[in-house]
Amino acid sequence: DAMVIQNPRYQVTQFGKPVTLSCSQTLNHNVMYWYQQKSSQAPKLLFHYYDKDFNNEADTPDNFQSRRPNTSFCFLDIRSPGLGDAAMYLCATSRDNDEQFFGPGTRLTVL
Amino acid sequence: GQQLNQSPQSMFIQEGEDVSMNCTSSSIFNTWLWYKQDPGEGPVLLIALYKAGELTSNGRLTAQFGITRKDSFLNISASIPSDVGIYFCAGQLRSNYQLIWGAGTKLIIKP
Repeated sequence: DAMVIQNPRYQVTQFGKPVTLSCSQTLNHNVMYWYQQKSSQAPKLLFHYYDKDFNNEADTPDNFQSRRPNTSFCFLDIRSPGLGDAAMYLCATSRDNDEQFFGPGTRLTVL
Repeated sequence: GQQLNQSPQSMFIQEGEDVSMNCTSSSIFNTWLWYKQDPGEGPVLLIALYKAGELTSNGRLTAQFGITRKDSFLNISASIPSDVGIYFCAGQLRSNYQLIWGAGTKLIIKP
């Protein structure tokens, strides 16, 4: 089945220790998104790649970076995680501006 | 940021009851999406609506795109235990990747 895969599902890191979350997709969608979601709130868009073009949301902290080495993979790098960065991180994909399909998420804990 | 008005915030229902929730906005949208999110998982797309007045069903779920393009509702008939979770509406302009989210409706089934 075509899908969006996120690894790991649970990630624990220490305050200030860099962490990378990964996302892959078999849908062959050209757009990939990273969202942050806290405690049953709606997902909040951090940035997205439209093909190779990176688009950062205005209020996304500089602490968050992303890489997309090819169509299938996208990474979220948190350079110096703070306690406030503990959240569920969701990857999503779409074909152009069509409906978005989400992965299962990575729950990040910061100690 | 901009958010849709989604109601109710939570619902306590008996198994077998019908459920109705809705979203309203001061802005018009080209697309309305309804997602369901289980605890610890990513949102799953239930229904996508593309035309004003459109009524679409997916099993026991029925959703409608309001004629003014500023609202949508989701109905669930004959609820079952696996319907519990948080339901999110999202509006989208066709020219824009960005989803505008409701705050979610938490569905709880009374034992």
